Amino acid sequence: QQQVKQSPQSLIVQKGGISIINCAYENTAFDYFPWYQQFPGKGPALLIAIRPDVSEKKEGRFTISFNKSAKQFSLHIMDSQPGDSATYFCAASRAHYQLIWGAGTKLIIKP
Amino acid sequence: DAGVTQSPTHLIKTRGQQVTLRCSPKSGHDTVSWYQQALGQGPQFIFQYYEEEERQRGNFPDRFSGHQFPNYSSELNVNALLLGDSALYLCASNRGVGLSYNEQFFGPGTRLTVL
Repeated sequence: QQQVKQSPQSLIVQKGGISIINCAYENTAFDYFPWYQQFPGKGPALLIAIRPDVSEKKEGRFTISFNKSAKQFSLHIMDSQPGDSATYFCAASRAHYQLIWGAGTKLIIKP
Repeated sequence: DAGVTQSPTHLIKTRGQQVTLRCSPKSGHDTVSWYQQALGQGPQFIFQYYEEEERQRGNFPDRFSGHQFPNYSSELNVNALLLGDSALYLCASNRGVGLSYNEQFFGPGTRLTVL
């Protein structure tokens, strides 16, 4: 019940296309759902996050869609650029508890 | 406004040795969490410190211990190093209270290699 399942494991998208990464969770007590971007050898960087009281949040080219009834959330990257090539992690947490991480998605944007 | 900083950047140790990693949280943050990230995997939670106390702990043996100082900085100590301890060690900080209490910001990590 503590798991966060992330898919796909890897993704190749043409420059200018839309990248979509999906996550699913079981624990309905989770109240915070962030996405992190990580480049090789660097720490994860907080990209965008959502709480379950909204169904969508947009920041620039990045959008989180949240479906509370399905217990799923996804990251959409619009107009994907080669600089977006990185590993993306979804996560979830509740109250002051630890972040529970997805397994990660390696995204490659082809020029 | 300085973000999360960690030292050292890289470290090479031999099996059986002990290591101490250091972390300074982002300005205004009072909670520090430590994660271990093996190559190609997601971060694994080690423990979290708040008000100088260990508040939560992941599934790591007692060889992993930590400390938080009054200025909120933190140390991670690993004793009796094993080859499997080779990883990127990440420190994250957040505010312990308030609306953004679980927004964790990560440092660049310390790459530990155990030979």
